[in-house]
Amino acid sequence: QSALTQPASVSGSPGQSITISCTGSSDDDYKYVSWYQQHPGKAPKLVLYDVGKRPSGVSNRFSGSKSGNTASLSISGLQAEDEADYYCTSYTSNSPVVFGGGTKLTVL
Amino acid sequence: QVQLVQSGAEVKKPGASVKVSCKASGYTFTSFFVYWVRQAPGQGLEWMGIINPGDGTTTYAQKFQGRVTMTSDTSTTTVYMQLSSLTSEDTAVYYCARDLGRVHFDCWGQGTLITVSS
Repeated sequence: QSALTQPASVSGSPGQSITISCTGSSDDDYKYVSWYQQHPGKAPKLVLYDVGKRPSGVSNRFSGSKSGNTASLSISGLQAEDEADYYCTSYTSNSPVVFGGGTKLTVL
Repeated sequence: QVQLVQSGAEVKKPGASVKVSCKASGYTFTSFFVYWVRQAPGQGLEWMGIINPGDGTTTYAQKFQGRVTMTSDTSTTTVYMQLSSLTSEDTAVYYCARDLGRVHFDCWGQGTLITVSS
């Protein structure tokens, strides 16, 4: 059981927008959240850090937010290449890093 | 450019040990912590531990305490992860990742598949 809870799967059609949630316990504030995209057989790739900041080279279609102990990753203008697994990450008072269980994004 | 290059896939028998290397280039090796993360087939990411290449200090996830050893070699800018007493449940892809701080892993190794099978 992961310390951060994500939906197992989400889907959307090309051009649509989707949101993936990431919920932690109420015991920690999850001040810093990162999101990673992983295509099959590939290493994870950072797409957001510090909740909503994008690394250089990541499309501005990716955005992030946080409310309370729930962070969210949103992708607008869905494209076929966005189909991948997405993982949220943060740290807690008990662990320097915790991962969400991952969400499989399917582009219909 | 910043790069982490890992050693190749290995097959090990139950009870054996494995040592995976992660060679860093393109940045000051001693300035950034390196994390080790593994991913079992069809499963999510699992944190194993952290090493500070500058002074070799480590923090291990409780699950792996006593079975994992992480080391660094500043002369070759390489970090190592050794896992002992392997079982089939250790079959996974093992990744190293550079941490810029605040769970900000900006660069990952390509992954090393470790298969444990008799």
